[in-house]
Amino acid sequence: DIHLTQSPPSLSASIGDRVTITCQASQDITTYLNWYQHQPGRAPKLLVYHSSALDTGVSSRFSGSGSGSLFTFTISSLQAEDVAMYYCQTFDNLVVTFGQGTRLDLK
Amino acid sequence: QVHLVQSGHEVKNPGASVRVSCKASGYNFNAYDITWVRQAPGQGLEWVGWINVYSGNTNYAQKFQGRVTMTTDKSTSTANMELRSLRSDETAVYYCARTWVGVAFDYHYMDVWGEGTTVIVSS
Repeated sequence: DIHLTQSPPSLSASIGDRVTITCQASQDITTYLNWYQHQPGRAPKLLVYHSSALDTGVSSRFSGSGSGSLFTFTISSLQAEDVAMYYCQTFDNLVVTFGQGTRLDLK
Repeated sequence: QVHLVQSGHEVKNPGASVRVSCKASGYNFNAYDITWVRQAPGQGLEWVGWINVYSGNTNYAQKFQGRVTMTTDKSTSTANMELRSLRSDETAVYYCARTWVGVAFDYHYMDVWGEGTTVIVSS
């Protein structure tokens, strides 16, 4: 099975900061990498699919990039409502895999 | 509007079974798959399995094989997940999610999620 490693496990940033999270896959997954936001008490939310496609209605301050085995998720200007856990996710050989998550909070 | 509405919270004894339902509305239920994901307290998201609504074909995570069954009722646009032989460490929030799966099974992503069903396993 593919293993996804997110870094950092947690980070603190200030309002307006540019925030970057990386997701490293244990093998080539082309661009089949998705990003979700999960806030306490709420359902997870799809932000980015196929590495860089923004889901409908998602703010343009979120973006994703990468291919092969290294992927990046970026928030261009952090807002208070972005405090959450962020997960990458992929699919290979009929198995769904999530990264371990990155906790983002305000400094 | 697309919605997935899940059944209410459950409290179960160890060794019991739980059935969680997920009622879809606002879209063609047959045209998408349904994935089940859970999150235990303080843990990350964990994939349980998924069902192709059109065919009824299922695929379960290896750790749940033999203990989980996923079904759908097309007449009510409802997906169901039954998990048997519950253990106390399986206390978690269980989510259903509408899922896009590539024809060649090359991609899989979940774009609409239910609100979650808390299952507490405790004696």
